[in-house]
Amino acid sequence: DTGVSQNPRHKITKRGQNVTFRCDPISEHNRLYWYRQTLGQGPEFLTYFQNEAQLEKSRLLSDRFSAERPKGSFSTLEIQRTEQGDSAMYLCASSFRHDEPEAFFGQGTRLTVV
Amino acid sequence: KNQVEQSPQSLIILEGKNCTLQCNYTVSPFSNLRWYKQDTGRGPVSLTIMTFSENTKSNGRYTATLDADTKQSSLHITASQLSDSASYICVVSDNTNAGKSTFGDGTTLTVKP
Repeated sequence: DTGVSQNPRHKITKRGQNVTFRCDPISEHNRLYWYRQTLGQGPEFLTYFQNEAQLEKSRLLSDRFSAERPKGSFSTLEIQRTEQGDSAMYLCASSFRHDEPEAFFGQGTRLTVV
Repeated sequence: KNQVEQSPQSLIILEGKNCTLQCNYTVSPFSNLRWYKQDTGRGPVSLTIMTFSENTKSNGRYTATLDADTKQSSLHITASQLSDSASYICVVSDNTNAGKSTFGDGTTLTVKP
C-alpha cells in the first residue's frame, strides 16, 4: 500500500493517560498535515510540517499536544493527560505539491477517551 | 475570517437520481477549491481540484463547478449509486506558502434503493 498510513486505527484510553499516533506519508511527499475531526464537522487544522520543520501550529494544539517529524518522513502526534474532549478522529495528510496540500489523507485514528 | 459553508447539511435521494451540493466560501487570497468524499470512519478522498481559472471539472459521475466571482462552487452527482452515500466536503486553500485550507462541515448524502 503506497498511500498515507496511520496507526493505530482505533484507540480507547482512560482519561489522564498519554497516547501517541503515527502517520507514514507517501514517501516522496515533503508536506505533512495533522487534522482533528469530530462527528458532523469538517477536519480542523492542527499542525503542518515541511520536511522535518514544524512550520505552523493551530491554537487548537494546546500544550498537551505535541507533534514531531524527526527525519522528515513519518510523524507522531502525542496527546498527554487525555481529556474526554480529545475524543475525535485524528487525520494525517501529505502532499508534494504546494497547490494541493491535502491531496492524500490517511484513514485516520479514532480516539475515544473514557 | 476564512469560512466555507456547505448546503444542505444532509440530503436523501433515491438511487439513480441526480443531486447538487453547494459550497460558498470567503477565503482570500484564493488558491484552489477541492471536493472530497468521506465514507464513514474513513479519511477523505479527493474528487476534484479547481484553480481560479477553471470553472468546471469532472471526475466520472461527479462534476464540480466554480464561480470565482460569486465565490460559489457546486458538486453535481449524476445517476447516483448506493456507494455514493458519504459526506462530501468542500475545501478552499489560500495562496500563502503553507497553502492553508479551510474545510466546510460537509454534506451528508444518503442514497436509498
